[in-house]
Amino acid sequence: QSALTQPASVSGSPGQSITISCTGTSSDVGGYNYVSWYQQHPGKAPKLMIYDVSNRPSGVSNRFSGSKSGNTASLTISGLQAEDEADYYCSSYTSSSIVVFGGGTKLTVL
Amino acid sequence: QVQLVQSGAEVKKPGSSVKVSCKASGGTFSSYTISWVRQAPGQGLEWMGRIIPILGIANYAQKFQGRVTITADKSTSTAYMELSSLRSEDTAVYYCARDTAMVTGDYWGQGTLVTVSS
Repeated sequence: QSALTQPASVSGSPGQSITISCTGTSSDVGGYNYVSWYQQHPGKAPKLMIYDVSNRPSGVSNRFSGSKSGNTASLTISGLQAEDEADYYCSSYTSSSIVVFGGGTKLTVL
Repeated sequence: QVQLVQSGAEVKKPGSSVKVSCKASGGTFSSYTISWVRQAPGQGLEWMGRIIPILGIANYAQKFQGRVTITADKSTSTAYMELSSLRSEDTAVYYCARDTAMVTGDYWGQGTLVTVSS
């Protein structure tokens, strides 16, 4: 099972919006609505930001939103803030009953 | 409040095994699954496998099949991940994570650094 494909890096200025893509196949992202997104700051454990494509856990800012079209899922962060600078990972359930992660995207807030 | 507390850092020789523990509190251990995810230095997240504690059934990523064993002790709400035949490429931070329904990692442990070095 190959890792999901994410851009290595994205950047944006405070207040702007950015979108991170996560591309898989019909056996993972495209086949199930079980895509999650995680935020990871350096030296910290990942934090769940979005689950089931577009749901936010309690306590996560509504500036974070998720969507999916075909085999590609997306995470959008609106109103960028300095504290959003982190690594972001997507994951998906797969037809093999396992989980696969994306390679990660480094978000830089300019 | 859900907490996952992992065992401490380990230094191992190539060819040996390591067993990392993950003690859960604040929830009903048997009502969710536990995944293990690792992260090599400067690299991304890699899912290794998971266990359903109430059934004691585990499944693993193909990459780790035959080398990893995930178990759980319901009496102590503790999950374990044992990785054998260690090599330098296994040097990584190993995380346990709680899964609820089909959601992987709604809570995470603090991570355990395993260093494989001769």
